[in-house]
Amino acid sequence: AQKVTQAQTEISVVEKEDVTLDCVYETRDTTYYLFWYKQPPSGELVFLIRRNSFDEQNEISGRYSWNFQKSTSSFNFTITASQVVDSAVYFCALSAGGTSYGKLTFGQGTILTVHP
Amino acid sequence: GAGVSQSPSNKVTEKGKDVELRCDPISGHTALYWYRQRLGQGLEFLIYFQGNSAPDKSGLPSDRFSAERTGESVSTLTIQRTQQEDSAVYLCASSLGGTSGSRDTQYFGPGTRLTVL
Repeated sequence: AQKVTQAQTEISVVEKEDVTLDCVYETRDTTYYLFWYKQPPSGELVFLIRRNSFDEQNEISGRYSWNFQKSTSSFNFTITASQVVDSAVYFCALSAGGTSYGKLTFGQGTILTVHP
Repeated sequence: GAGVSQSPSNKVTEKGKDVELRCDPISGHTALYWYRQRLGQGLEFLIYFQGNSAPDKSGLPSDRFSAERTGESVSTLTIQRTQQEDSAVYLCASSLGGTSGSRDTQYFGPGTRLTVL
């Protein structure tokens, strides 16, 4: 069975602070994919990143960066110089390689509030 | 191009009534998923379609829930004899499907907020 844990239920920061959202996953599959989605107040999930289990290179996209460490089964997400528009619920999700399709297992989400 | 669309955006119904929720996937996406998001919770998988077939219905919580897909396009999620615990946001997602497997990225619609009184 797959499991994703986002230990931080809520995080509150002031604009321009850096913030890291933690994600720990469990799977017995050797091939799997990890995702981060953003859910702004409008409710629609926005895809941010996909990472496969064979690629542990960290990735940076503008103010966003992701740290994937298989040794600790973690896929953490950092926002540098946070902005008010970053306020949203962020979900980490896992899709395991044992199936022929991409059923996602989601974490409970982290509510990020960025204050001006 | 157009994203995933869902209708209605909000639905309020009385306990015991049936409801139908609609999803229009991204054109060309053969895979379609339904998820449920209860207040303050993560998303729970309900059902997966590849084309018009549903190889995985394992997440449907009871036999009051059913879904169909036609023309490898529109999908309808039906909840019969609604209960208060069915109140949630129902999200639809689509992806390329086919042989993409678990690397497939799913794109989500805005959801339908269902309230059962």
